[in-house]
Amino acid sequence: QVQLQESGPGLVKPSETLSLTCTVSGGSISNYYWNWIRQPAGKGLEWIGRISSSGSTNYNPSLKTRVTMSVDTSKNQFSLKLSSVTAADTAVYYCARLRLAVADPFDYWGQGTLVTVSS
Amino acid sequence: DIVMTQSPDSLAVSLGERATINCKSSQSVLYSSNNKNYLAWYQQRPGQPPKLLIYWPSTRESGVPDRFSGSGSGTDFTLTISSLQSEDVAVYYCQQYYSTPYTFGQGTKLEI
Repeated sequence: QVQLQESGPGLVKPSETLSLTCTVSGGSISNYYWNWIRQPAGKGLEWIGRISSSGSTNYNPSLKTRVTMSVDTSKNQFSLKLSSVTAADTAVYYCARLRLAVADPFDYWGQGTLVTVSS
Repeated sequence: DIVMTQSPDSLAVSLGERATINCKSSQSVLYSSNNKNYLAWYQQRPGQPPKLLIYWPSTRESGVPDRFSGSGSGTDFTLTISSLQSEDVAVYYCQQYYSTPYTFGQGTKLEI
C-alpha cells in the first residue's frame, strides 16, 4: 500500500522560503507524477504543481514565480519550495500522486502538514 | 483556468435518504477524441486528507461502497449517495483533470 508523508517546518517567517518534503513508501516514485496541493483552514483545495519522476514540472500559474519542485528518486522523495511567503500561504499542505498519467485524478494523499506563516 | 462550481454549498439529509451534489465546470471537460470526461469526486472527512471516490466520472475507486455513484458529461455532473450513512458526513469536492491548473469545486458540506 502506497503511503505519502509530508515533513518540514510548521512555522515560517514572512518573506522567507517554505520547504517541504514528501516521502513515498510502499511503492516506487518512478513512473508517476507527484503533486503538492494546499488547503487554508476552512477553505477549499488549491493545486500548487506537479513533478514527474524524471523531474519535469508543471506549476499553477498563480504561484509559478515562487514555486520550485524537485525529486530525489534514490530517496523516494520529492520536495516543494515556496519563496517570499506571506500570511496568505498559511495552509495545510498535502502531497498526492496522480493515479496513472498526467490526465488522471489524485489517488494517494499524504495526511497533510500545517504550515503557518508568522513572525 | 476551468472554474468548478458546486451546489449546494451545504446539505442536510436524513439517514437512509438520498443525497445529491452537483458540479458545473466553466468549460467542457469532455475530451472528444476519447469521449472521456476528466472529472473526479473526493470525500474529505474532518481532519483527514481528501479521498478519491469516483472518476471518469462514474468509475468508483476500489473499495468505495456502491451507494456512491456519479454521472454527467460535458459541463454538468452529479454525485449521488443512494442511502446516507453516518460515516458519509464529510465535505465533497469535484475536480477537473482535463487541463492544468487542476481545479476543485468549493466543496459541499454534507450533514445528517
